[in-house]
Amino acid sequence: EAQVTQNPRYLITVTGKKLTVTCSQNMNHEYMSWYRQDPGLGLRQIYYSMNVEATDKGDVPEGYKVSRKEKRNFPLILESPSPNQTSLYFCASRGGYSNTEAFFGQGTRLTVV
Amino acid sequence: QKEVEQDPGPLSVPEGAIVSLNCTYSNSAFQYFMWYRQYSRKGPELLMYTYSSGNKEDGRFTAQVDKSSKYISLFIRDSQPSDSATYLCAMPSSRYSSASKIIFGSGTRLSIRP
Repeated sequence: EAQVTQNPRYLITVTGKKLTVTCSQNMNHEYMSWYRQDPGLGLRQIYYSMNVEATDKGDVPEGYKVSRKEKRNFPLILESPSPNQTSLYFCASRGGYSNTEAFFGQGTRLTVV
Repeated sequence: QKEVEQDPGPLSVPEGAIVSLNCTYSNSAFQYFMWYRQYSRKGPELLMYTYSSGNKEDGRFTAQVDKSSKYISLFIRDSQPSDSATYLCAMPSSRYSSASKIIFGSGTRLSIRP
């Protein structure tokens, strides 16, 4: 089954404690991205990657890091989480040229206290 | 001004009603227009997409694009409780979608009352 898998689904952490949210896709997609979803603000892109070792900032990259060492994996790293990073996070992947459909993971609900 | 504007709702209608969901956008270069549906505690899923102006129908769903007004709509006929979800409009920022990001509206929360 084609899917994007995020882990964990829920996470409560304390300010400053480094964390990683993993994302993996099994569709051999080149393009992967991370979004955060907040009430009234919709989905905002954090980082994206057009292929292995090719990442770039989205609209709200501050406080986040990513890496793309393998095509299937695109982890999101919060080196020093703060309460304003409490949000619902989605990983998404897309196929090749002219493919507009994004496949989303199930989401990670992060709370930073 | 946001590039894509969408009324957040919530919108509540009785079962069987026709639902109209709308978005406006500011960039006349947008050419692909998509609607995603997001159920509670799930990721968004692509529902429909259209290219350029006109209508596209898929079962009970019709997507309409008016490029002259920069206005897109999604109509749901014979609405069902299972249609209760948040609907997000979305547009790739350039024609060459593999090199562009997708810009999402903030979503309209729809509730269908049995």
